[in-house]
Amino acid sequence: QQQVKQSPQSLIVQKGGISIINCAYENTAFDYFPWYQQFPGKGPALLIAIRPDVSEKKEGRFTISFNKSAKQFSLHIMDSQPGDSATYFCAASLNSGYSTLTFGKGTMLLVSP
Amino acid sequence: ETGVTQTPRHLVMGMTNKKSLKCEQHLGHNAMYWYKQSAKKPLELMFVYNFKEQTENNSVPSRFSPECPNSSHLFLHLHTLQPEDSALYLCASSQDLRRYEQYFGPGTRLTVT
Repeated sequence: QQQVKQSPQSLIVQKGGISIINCAYENTAFDYFPWYQQFPGKGPALLIAIRPDVSEKKEGRFTISFNKSAKQFSLHIMDSQPGDSATYFCAASLNSGYSTLTFGKGTMLLVSP
Repeated sequence: ETGVTQTPRHLVMGMTNKKSLKCEQHLGHNAMYWYKQSAKKPLELMFVYNFKEQTENNSVPSRFSPECPNSSHLFLHLHTLQPEDSALYLCASSQDLRRYEQYFGPGTRLTVT
């Protein structure tokens, strides 16, 4: 049973455009929602994260929007650049005493010049 | 060396071989993790160690055997693997189990022939 569903699987955006990746979760006990960015040949790197007590968090060109009632959260990349081309993973974590993350399947983003 | 390092970066082994993957973190963290990353599947948590003690074994087959001699080093011993075990094996660390930020190494690309 996949607890975090991520879409789309792949995404092509023109330079300067907005990239939007969506995730939906099932377990209402999740209380931490990070996004990871992975370049080829590298491990995932934490990009930005949000907790359910806020509806939006912005860091530079990256914004997380969080809808607790819909159990959905999304990553928006404003003014997308070719250097943003990577695979993006959403994840969720339970406050069970463990820092275990449940990941989505990933979205491969290509920003065309 | 900084962050989380993993060796080797690539490994090809036969089904009857025995090999080990090594992970070292230079962040002063106390928790370490092994993940399996397969194409088009979410990252799968395999093992969790906290202060050298294994706290989670996510139903991983016994042909994978972890070892954590100290908080900075983590090994994954491999024996009698199957072709379906071919994947990217990622090591991660976090300050402790209650801190959600995990830092990943670059991974070991394993091919089982």
